[in-house]
Amino acid sequence: GAVVSQHPSWVICKSGTSVKIECRSLDFQATTMFWYRQFPKQSLMLMATSNEGSKATYEQGVEKDKFLINHASLTLSTLTVTSAHPEDSSFYICSARDPQGGTDTQYFGPGTRLTVL
Amino acid sequence: LAKTTQPISMDSYEGQEVNITCSHNNIATNDYITWYQQFPSQGPRFIIQGYKTKVTNEVASLFIPADRKSSTLSLPRVSLSDTAVYYCLVGVFSGGYNKLIFGAGTRLAVHP
Repeated sequence: GAVVSQHPSWVICKSGTSVKIECRSLDFQATTMFWYRQFPKQSLMLMATSNEGSKATYEQGVEKDKFLINHASLTLSTLTVTSAHPEDSSFYICSARDPQGGTDTQYFGPGTRLTVL
Repeated sequence: LAKTTQPISMDSYEGQEVNITCSHNNIATNDYITWYQQFPSQGPRFIIQGYKTKVTNEVASLFIPADRKSSTLSLPRVSLSDTAVYYCLVGVFSGGYNKLIFGAGTRLAVHP
């Protein structure tokens, strides 16, 4: 099956710093990737849709200036959490859309645990 | 607002068959139904996807009635390692592709 990786798998940072998370599709080209966040014991919440070569589309209530998304190639999307605060501590998960076969299946990365001190 | 409704939790025992039913009354004509499994601190893992009737793969079966307003994920002979959260999703078509809006999922606990 399609493989999606994320880096780093976990990160601890100080309040006020910025953190970049990478999402890669390893064996397919993904024109569209998605970023989610998940708090403990809760479901995944879609943050934004990342389209290769164009601006990301953010869900309502998600600050685009705080969560910067760049989709520079067909296999890489990055999420930068700027000026991180403790309330940004969460599990961030990306997915990549594999359009082959016409079923529009999304494959998820392993997630990145962000802890802001 | 999630497009799907499924039980919050289920309990089972090793070796039993588990069936998790999901309601999606407003499913669109071109929507596929996809099930994911998630373990703690991991990303969701694709289990199975279907459009109608029955789909089977090496880990599960998916039953979809003719009206497609519901679907049932069937896990044969579960083991302790199947303890996880299971999500049923249909796409929300927007901008030329489907977005996945996650509901609460079903927390399956498999007991010895």
